[in-house]
Amino acid sequence: DQQVKQNSPSLSVQEGRISILNCDYTNSMFDYFLWYKKYPAEGPTFLISISSIKDKNEDGRFTVFLNKSAKHLSLHIVPSQPGDSAVYFCAALTTNLGNEKLTFGTGTRLTIIP
Amino acid sequence: EAGVAQSPRYKIIEKRQSVAFWCNPISGHATLYWYQQILGQGPKLLIQFQNNGVVDDSQLPKDRFSAERLKGVDSTLKIQPAKLEDSAVYLCASSFTSGDNEQFFGPGTRLTVL
Repeated sequence: DQQVKQNSPSLSVQEGRISILNCDYTNSMFDYFLWYKKYPAEGPTFLISISSIKDKNEDGRFTVFLNKSAKHLSLHIVPSQPGDSAVYFCAALTTNLGNEKLTFGTGTRLTIIP
Repeated sequence: EAGVAQSPRYKIIEKRQSVAFWCNPISGHATLYWYQQILGQGPKLLIQFQNNGVVDDSQLPKDRFSAERLKGVDSTLKIQPAKLEDSAVYLCASSFTSGDNEQFFGPGTRLTVL
């Protein structure tokens, strides 16, 4: 039962253009969403998050959009840089359960072409 | 600030052998998590500790996996006996409190079971 889905296993974008990574979820109890970035042989690092009370959160080149009715979120990176090449994981959690169990998607490998 | 430390980084064992992984969380972080990441999938939570108590171990295969965090700081995860399907990266993460949604990940231990 994959509650968080990233349907694109890979994405290639030219440097300077916008990268858009998508994520869908099925569990309506999720109320907090995070994006993690992972380089090879390293652990995931936190990138940006959004609460379900918002529909947009921006941090520099990174913006996350949340569409609760569609159970869909996306990460926009603009402009894309070569250092953005990594695997991006979408994750979700329910904040009032007493634990912070993250449910991860399967990841999207982003390649920025110089 | 030192990050989450894990050792060993790589381990190769034969099936039915035992193996143990060690994690040292970020200083002051009360909550510690162990995740299993199988190739091509997102990390899956195995167990969550709050100080030295277990918050969630619902996805830990307790017939062969065990974990402890005796003094509320370091943690060990053990597999005994290992199966081929245990081949994965085992990630340790920590967060300041159980209400802190951002988790910091270590580099992981890549386990290969032959």
